[in-house]
Amino acid sequence: GAVVSQHPSRVICKSGTSVKIECRSLDFQATTMFWYRQFPKQSLMLMATSNEGSKATYEQGVEKDKFLINHASLTLSTLTVTSAHPEDSSFYICSAPGQGDQPQHFGDGTRLSIL
Amino acid sequence: AQSVTQLGSHVSVSEGALVLLRCNYSSSVPPYLFWYVQYPNQGLQLLLKYTTGATLVKGINGFEAEFKKSETSFHLTKPSAHMSDAAEYFCAVRGGTGGYQKVTFGTGTKLQVIP
Repeated sequence: GAVVSQHPSRVICKSGTSVKIECRSLDFQATTMFWYRQFPKQSLMLMATSNEGSKATYEQGVEKDKFLINHASLTLSTLTVTSAHPEDSSFYICSAPGQGDQPQHFGDGTRLSIL
Repeated sequence: AQSVTQLGSHVSVSEGALVLLRCNYSSSVPPYLFWYVQYPNQGLQLLLKYTTGATLVKGINGFEAEFKKSETSFHLTKPSAHMSDAAEYFCAVRGGTGGYQKVTFGTGTKLQVIP
């Protein structure tokens, strides 16, 4: 079945570093990708929706300049956390919509730890 | 508008006992409902889904859920718990057809299985 590949699975870096997370759709094209953030012991919160060929749509309260999203092709969406700080430490998950009535396909997530 | 309420952030059952995880939803349109399982530091895996048709849906690993429109519920059950079922479970709702519709997740229920 359809698979979404997310990389890297874990990142540990110093405060002030920018971190890029990639999300690829394997064997299918995704004109839309969803980016979620999950704090410990909490649910997934939608951050933004990336759209191939156009600007991403951000949810209320999400800083566009902080979380840069680029949907470079029909199989690749990236999330860049710019000048990351400890409060940005979280679990980030991407997903691609399923075809028709099918559910979303989730990546395995990226654990981001900012020291 | 749509929302999901999962009753009980933690549920403990003995190995071999019945598993019951509760989910209630609200949706302004006929909902599509999902249950996902998440293991530590991993993405979400689909257990089962309800779109239309039969209200009792069977999923993977012996789980099933029943859509009850009158009660706006979609509770997840499994007759006999295994140790491997210990994980976090999320109920989710999507407002109708179209994979591009946003999905709203519940706050999750952590299932503990006691030997």
